Amino acid sequence: DAKTTQPPSMDCAEGRAANLPCNHSTISGNEYVYWYRQIHSQGPQYIIHGLKNNETNEMASLIITEDRKSSTLILPHATLRDTAVYYCIVRVQYGNKLVFGAGTILRVKS
Amino acid sequence: KAGVTQTPRYLIKTRGQQVTLSCSPISGHRSVSWYQQTPGQGLQFLFEYFSETQRNKGNFPGRFSGRQFSNSRSEMNVSTLELGDSALYLCASSSLDFGTEAFFGQGTRLTVV
Repeated sequence: DAKTTQPPSMDCAEGRAANLPCNHSTISGNEYVYWYRQIHSQGPQYIIHGLKNNETNEMASLIITEDRKSSTLILPHATLRDTAVYYCIVRVQYGNKLVFGAGTILRVKS
Repeated sequence: KAGVTQTPRYLIKTRGQQVTLSCSPISGHRSVSWYQQTPGQGLQFLFEYFSETQRNKGNFPGRFSGRQFSNSRSEMNVSTLELGDSALYLCASSSLDFGTEAFFGQGTRLTVV
């Protein structure tokens, strides 16, 4: 599975959009980009995933660059409850092995 | 529907002992994966089971083992516990052979003394 690079931490003001970048320059053509988050001492929570096209669901939007070497997770209106560690993962669709990096600690501040 | 259930939630064991952790996946899910989370190493993949067969395995010693039953429930076992095995052990289940999202349980906090 391809490796990912994320900033160790980010701050965001409550109510503003949080934009979390991820670099995955060695991604292969059949690898998907997944995002999970983990709130302190809880199990990771799935957010969104995509292959080539931008994706949006009720939680977030995922923007993948045309060359697929990087992506951005967007939380449109961050709340204090969005404070968590966010993990960007790239993996093949087959199988359910997730390789987690260090993630980004997002702190949403009032 | 009920989420992924892990039991017990907390466990304290002594070095040298063995431990068995249990995971009940979401109803209908056939894939179960296990992860270890420590402050130093982060979240690391242990193994994955699908339809009672181990499909993927992480880089852990043979003291770590698992199995899956016909009802998709899974157990993992750690023998000859070491202090470094103290961790949060997480289980995740997925519905498809070609997984979409994985749903995680709340984990079992194992402390080895």
